[in-house]
Amino acid sequence: EPEVTQTPSHQVTQMGQEVILRCVPISNHLYFYWYRQILGQKVEFLVSFYNNEISEKSEIFDDQFSVERPDGSNFTLKIRSTKLEDSAMYFCASSRLVNNQPQHFGDGTRLSIL
Amino acid sequence: AQSVTQLDSQVPVFEEAPVELRCNYSSSVSVYLFWYVQYPNQGLQLLLKYLSGSTLVKGINGFEAEFNKSQTSFHLRKPSVHISDTAEYFCAVSISGSARQLTFGSGTQLTVLP
Repeated sequence: EPEVTQTPSHQVTQMGQEVILRCVPISNHLYFYWYRQILGQKVEFLVSFYNNEISEKSEIFDDQFSVERPDGSNFTLKIRSTKLEDSAMYFCASSRLVNNQPQHFGDGTRLSIL
Repeated sequence: AQSVTQLDSQVPVFEEAPVELRCNYSSSVSVYLFWYVQYPNQGLQLLLKYLSGSTLVKGINGFEAEFNKSQTSFHLRKPSVHISDTAEYFCAVSISGSARQLTFGSGTQLTVLP
């Protein structure tokens, strides 16, 4: 069964540095998402992306964050200047264009900010 | 805005016993409902979904859930659990329609004891 793949599985970064998290969505999916889960807290929606533009974003997704589909397969989340509170597990998800299709999640990237 | 409440953070149960994981939601508009499971060091895997129609929904691994609109609940059940069902279970809701963000509950850790 096709899967959403995320790299790296664990990223350690110094505070203030830029970080890029990478995702390869399922190949025939056209909607892409990022969520995050701070340790011990709920999974929270960050952003959704379709047709090369943001569809929805949460209040968490401020100017420090950006998303991009740089080629036909990758979907990236960039954090420009990381803060300690950005430490979390980041999940990528994708879904088909057809109505009512569920979101399929990757295994996540654990981001640790030092 | 939608919200999801999972009343039990931890549910220990003996192998082959039945289990119910509770989920209540709040929304002023029509919603879709989901249960996801997360095994250690893995991503979120869809167990089942309710979009419309029959209120009893069957999913993978012998799980089922019942949508109760009057009680705004979507409880997950399994008649006989296995050790391998030990995982974190998340209830989620989205506004009806395509590719809308998921709002998650805080999760329930199901531990199946031998």
